[in-house]
Amino acid sequence: GAGVSQSPSNKVTEKGKDVELRCDPISGHTALYWYRQRLGQGLEFLIYFQGNSAPDKSGLPSDRFSAERTGESVSTLTIQRTQQEDSAVYLCASRRIRDSPLHFGNGTRLTVT
Amino acid sequence: TQLLEQSPQFLSIQEGENLTVYCNSSSVFSSLQWYRQEPGEGPVLLVTVVTGGEVKKLKRLTFQFGDARKDSSLHITAAQPGDTGLYLCAGASGSARQLTFGSGTQLTVLP
Repeated sequence: GAGVSQSPSNKVTEKGKDVELRCDPISGHTALYWYRQRLGQGLEFLIYFQGNSAPDKSGLPSDRFSAERTGESVSTLTIQRTQQEDSAVYLCASRRIRDSPLHFGNGTRLTVT
Repeated sequence: TQLLEQSPQFLSIQEGENLTVYCNSSSVFSSLQWYRQEPGEGPVLLVTVVTGGEVKKLKRLTFQFGDARKDSSLHITAAQPGDTGLYLCAGASGSARQLTFGSGTQLTVLP
């Protein structure tokens, strides 16, 4: 596709449920990032994938958060036992090589009730 | 931990006015990027500055990277309603692979 695609665009879930968010990066982009954005705020780094290297998980806020990526394709971010403080927009971004511009998807707005 | 502080956090001005948004850190960055984000969308890159003291212009927007590469500013001349959005600065350091984002400036330009 032409851009980074994220699904679903909106997700409402009950506290304690697990959710899975999906990101389709731009074809050929080796690097993929997940960020979290609370309402009206900046972006909080979660995790970074680069090719077949071990992912940088240093931004994951707790062990309830995990992410996977198969090669240089789709990535999924999983949040287990969701809490209300997990409510935010989860943004995915990809880029071709280091220092090239980040291309963001439109995000998944997660609401935990 | 590298932190980027943006100011002001909120700015509401009339069409035609000028404004400046600041991005400050105690850390040195190898490059700094500015993004604009509109509601319901992801951030979109406006510019990347790399050299200390560098000034880049994008139509009515002027971006400056501080001499010490710790701070940056975005100046908008004759703001228009279409400039409304969340402006984010993001810094990259030599060793870190992820960008550090600032807290953002929410700009509203009233017609």
